[in-house]
Amino acid sequence: GNSVTQMEGPVTLSEEAFLTINCTYTATGYPSLFWYVQYPGEGLQLLLKATKADDKGSNKGFEATYRKETTSFHLEKGSVQVSDSAVYFCALSSGSARQLTFGSGTQLTVLP
Amino acid sequence: NAGVTQTPKFQVLKTGQSMTLQCAQDMNHNSMYWYRQDPGMGLRLIYYSASEGTTDKGEVPNGYNVSRLNKREFSLRLESAAPSQTSVYFCASSPGQYSNQPQHFGDGTRLSIL
Repeated sequence: GNSVTQMEGPVTLSEEAFLTINCTYTATGYPSLFWYVQYPGEGLQLLLKATKADDKGSNKGFEATYRKETTSFHLEKGSVQVSDSAVYFCALSSGSARQLTFGSGTQLTVLP
Repeated sequence: NAGVTQTPKFQVLKTGQSMTLQCAQDMNHNSMYWYRQDPGMGLRLIYYSASEGTTDKGEVPNGYNVSRLNKREFSLRLESAAPSQTSVYFCASSPGQYSNQPQHFGDGTRLSIL
């Protein structure tokens, strides 16, 4: 079956530091890949997506590239802000109803 | 611009009680989903509805039932609540036809079973 393995957390960084959160996946076929973000007390919001190999998704300074050869979709940001503190989920979409399979989530805390 | 609306936001139940969690979307989406979120486990799919009139089991369906009442509404029922069902429940919807279309999530229902 499908699975997503995400970098263990929590991650604590200082403001303006570089961020990488690793994500690898196992899937049949050609899934779409997503990063969602969850702020405290809220639901999940789409951060970025990529639908085919070598696609780069980007939003709000975050980027991730769909690497089929390494089955990875690592999230990066060059300079994090305190407002980026949240839980980040990597996910893949598959199946007739495009169900999502999620990683376990990575808690990011950015200190001023 | 409501998106996906879940009710209630919080609920405390006693073991053995029943309850229905409500979800409605106003985006004319075909597919709807119920997930549960537990610490360290991400979100796991309970049930989904690919289109109006159809429902299917996800990864963790035991102890739950669902009803796709119409295109807008998708409810989740706990017939006899157990402490293991203490969790945060999220409803989501998507257009459904293509895998590159993201799901939209509600704000969740925080459910405690005593």
